[in-house]
Amino acid sequence: GAVVSQHPSWVICKSGTSVKIECRSLDFQATTMFWYRQFPKQSLMLMATSNEGSKATYEQGVEKDKFLINHASLTLSTLTVTSAHPEDSSFYICSARDLAGKSYEQYFGPGTRLTVT
Amino acid sequence: KQEVTQIPAALSVPEGENLVLNCSFTDSAIYNLQWFRQDPGKGLTSLLLIQSSQREQTSGRLNASLDKSSGRSTLYIAASQPGDSATYLCAVRAPDNDMRFGAGTRLTVKP
Repeated sequence: GAVVSQHPSWVICKSGTSVKIECRSLDFQATTMFWYRQFPKQSLMLMATSNEGSKATYEQGVEKDKFLINHASLTLSTLTVTSAHPEDSSFYICSARDLAGKSYEQYFGPGTRLTVT
Repeated sequence: KQEVTQIPAALSVPEGENLVLNCSFTDSAIYNLQWFRQDPGKGLTSLLLIQSSQREQTSGRLNASLDKSSGRSTLYIAASQPGDSATYLCAVRAPDNDMRFGAGTRLTVKP
């Protein structure tokens, strides 16, 4: 089946620093990738939709200058949390849509646990 | 805007019991509905995907139904096992491909 990887799986950083999270579709091409954030005991909230070669579309309330998304190829999207603060500590999950799949199913990465101290 | 609700928020059952998880959504104009399992601190595992034209999908001990007109889906788990303990998430995709998640049901199956 389609596999989506994320790197790193967990990261601890100091307040004020920036952190980059990578999302890769390993065995399929995806023009669209999605970034979600999940706080403890809460559901996934869509942050932004990333299309290859174009600017990401951000959900209302998500700061595009704080959460920089780059989707430079059909298999890689990156999320950079700039000037991270403790309130950015969360579980970040990416998802990629398989172009070839008839159902346009989204495949999810294993997530990245970000802790800002 | 699509709202997805899952009831109950938490459920604890003894091993071997059959159980039903509920998902409701406010906008019936959906493309598909998907059930996921999430273990603590982990990503999502897709369990079942139901297209808008379908009424149910089955995989092993799992059966998911969809009633688009009433905005409801159920996930039926037969003969529950301790290994089924996890959070179960329901997600609805709109025709414009925006996917919305419910808050999940946290299931505990006691040995």
